[in-house]
Amino acid sequence: DGGITQSPKYLFRKEGQNVTLSCEQNLNHDAMYWYRQDPGQGLRLIYYSQIVNDFQKGDIAEGYSVSREKKESFPLTVTSAQKNPTAFYLCASQIDGRSENYEQYFGPGTRLTVT
Amino acid sequence: AQSVAQPEDQVNVAEGNPLTVKCTYSVSGNPYLFWYVQYPNRGLQFLLKYITGDNLVKGSYGFEAEFNKSQTSFHLKKPSALVSDSALYFCAVRVFNNAGNMLTFGGGTRLMVKP
Repeated sequence: DGGITQSPKYLFRKEGQNVTLSCEQNLNHDAMYWYRQDPGQGLRLIYYSQIVNDFQKGDIAEGYSVSREKKESFPLTVTSAQKNPTAFYLCASQIDGRSENYEQYFGPGTRLTVT
Repeated sequence: AQSVAQPEDQVNVAEGNPLTVKCTYSVSGNPYLFWYVQYPNRGLQFLLKYITGDNLVKGSYGFEAEFNKSQTSFHLKKPSALVSDSALYFCAVRVFNNAGNMLTFGGGTRLMVKP
C-alpha cells in the first residue's frame, strides 16, 4: 500500500448525496486508476488517467466523475446518479500508462456505504 | 475480447502442502500477465508478472507462476503453503487500446490454508 493513500478508510453517506473519494500518490507515476470491488466479485475499472489533465471512462463509468489536475491526485466523485454506490473503491497507479511492462500499485481502499 | 478466468472460487489446502491457484487467459498478441493478493479490507499487493522470457516466474513470499502458452494458462503455485497465505488472489492481463493500456482482472480465488 505504500506510496498511495486513500481517505477516508470508511465513508457513510445518505442516498442522494454526492461524495468524493480521495486518492494521492507520491510515486511520481503518470497513470492512475479507479476500481470498484463488490463482494465476491473481481475489480471493475471505473475511470483511468494516463497523464495529467486527461482521463478516460472505464467499463462502469456511469454515475461517477473524476478530475486529474495534478499528477499526484486523482479524486473520484460518486454522484447521486450511481444506482448502487455501496462498494469497496480501490485506487491504483502505474509508472507509465503506455508501457506494457509495469505493474499497478494499489492504495488501501475506501469502503463506501450509502443508506 | 481479452480476458482472464479464474475457474475456482475457493481453494482449500493444508498447511505445508503445495498449492495451485488457476488462471487462464484469452488475448490477441503477446500476453502480459500478473498476480495480485488481497488481504481483508486491504488493497491489492503485487506478487509477480510474466512479460517475456522464462516460463517459470518467481515472485514475492515464495510464490511462483508457470506460463503455459499452449494451454493459455498462468497458474500460481507455492511448494509449501502457510496459514498466512490465506487471502484472495487475482490474476490479471494487460489490455491495450488507443488510449494506452489497462489491466483486466479475473473474479478472484479465495485461498484457505488450514493448520
